Amino acid sequence: GAGVSQTPSNKVTEKGKYVELRCDPISGHTALYWYRQSLGQGPEFLIYFQGTGAADDSGLPNDRFFAVRPEGSVSTLKIQRTERGDSAVYLCASSRRQAMVPRTDTQYFGPGTRLTVL
Amino acid sequence: QKEVEQNSGPLSVPEGAIASLNCTYSDRGSQSFFWYRQYSGKSPELIMFIYSNGDKEDGRFTAQLNKASQYVSLLIRDSQPSDSATYLCAVNRVNWYGGATNKLIFGTGTLLAVQP
Repeated sequence: GAGVSQTPSNKVTEKGKYVELRCDPISGHTALYWYRQSLGQGPEFLIYFQGTGAADDSGLPNDRFFAVRPEGSVSTLKIQRTERGDSAVYLCASSRRQAMVPRTDTQYFGPGTRLTVL
Repeated sequence: QKEVEQNSGPLSVPEGAIASLNCTYSDRGSQSFFWYRQYSGKSPELIMFIYSNGDKEDGRFTAQLNKASQYVSLLIRDSQPSDSATYLCAVNRVNWYGGATNKLIFGTGTLLAVQP
């Protein structure tokens, strides 16, 4: 079946502009995650959705970053007034949320969007 | 101290050898541990997870967990050139009262190079 898809694959913008990054999760996955990966680093958690609501947005770096998932499927990560430091690969992942503890939900990653802020 | 630490490598092993990748974590309450493989320019893909002390085997891969030492490792037997990639260790973050969350904290990854 189809995996997680992300668009665009590459986005080049100028400092101060607004960008939107889209994620389409695997069908049936209720949990959706956004991560950011800078060169030479591991993915850094940004936000997690369970259904339509943001269950944990503690990783969003500041109020220029915002994400929505209005119908519980596709999600959009929005970045206002972009800065050069926002340049990174933005990864989306989805999973079937399991009720068991400890959490062993397998997070499946999309191909990412490479954002470059000039 | 970083929450999840890995040696960045590169770790170079000959084809057919055992590759040993190590990871330490700082949050003693962490409950589940994941190993992801990431090829250059690609997204991470899950190899396996572990949450009980001891060993867990899946094909050529063995994950080992020692919660007392806050240490998790991944062994790759009969290493192949196609195993050359960055291996990311990830830890499931617990919240302030020790409950599980869905947030994964990743290390910086270890670059593995398998020499033919």
